[in-house]
Amino acid sequence: QKEVEQNSGPLSVPEGAIASLNCTYSDRGSQSFFWYRQYSGKSPELIMFIYSNGDKEDGRFTAQLNKASQYVSLLIRDSQPSDSATYLCAVQDISNFGNEKLTFGTGTRLTIIP
Amino acid sequence: KAGVTQTPRYLIKTRGQQVTLSCSPISGHRSVSWYQQTPGQGLQFLFEYFSETQRNKGNFPGRFSGRQFSNSRSEMNVSTLELGDSALYLCASSLGYRVGYGYTFGSGTRLTVV
Repeated sequence: QKEVEQNSGPLSVPEGAIASLNCTYSDRGSQSFFWYRQYSGKSPELIMFIYSNGDKEDGRFTAQLNKASQYVSLLIRDSQPSDSATYLCAVQDISNFGNEKLTFGTGTRLTIIP
Repeated sequence: KAGVTQTPRYLIKTRGQQVTLSCSPISGHRSVSWYQQTPGQGLQFLFEYFSETQRNKGNFPGRFSGRQFSNSRSEMNVSTLELGDSALYLCASSLGYRVGYGYTFGSGTRLTVV
């Protein structure tokens, strides 16, 4: 059973600070990692993906991957109230054709305090 | 470019009835996945279709079924509805290639079983 674990939160961060969201996964075969943002009442929206160990930056967002520790994180710099949402971590094993579904964590609810 | 379209947006059904949900993927996307989202369980994978073939299935009872048409549109059906089937059903489309890819979600269908 492939598992993806996230701290459910809620995580409260002051506006302008760095929000750090963490995710661990159990399947060492996982090769692709995604972060989705879901506003209340809306569907998930892809904001970041990462395949290689290290950091990947996109604007205020940085994804970090450590395959040895089976750990992926998302940093949000200069947090804004509009970042308040649930963040979902998803992992994918693409080594087996036909079994490439995304497995999601239960999400971390982030609240940015003005 | 049109996104993923799900219909209907809301449904209220009675226990024992059946329901059919529809999903039109992004043009050119051949893979359609279905997820059930509930507050307690998060996003649970139902099944994935690629080029009209189901190539992956989650751990849901046989009451949940789906299909994909030649134009990549997909439908999912739930028969003999139970109260516990009340959830947000999300459809996601992707190119479906082996190289890691992300999903684009539709707005979802909110199903309420009474």
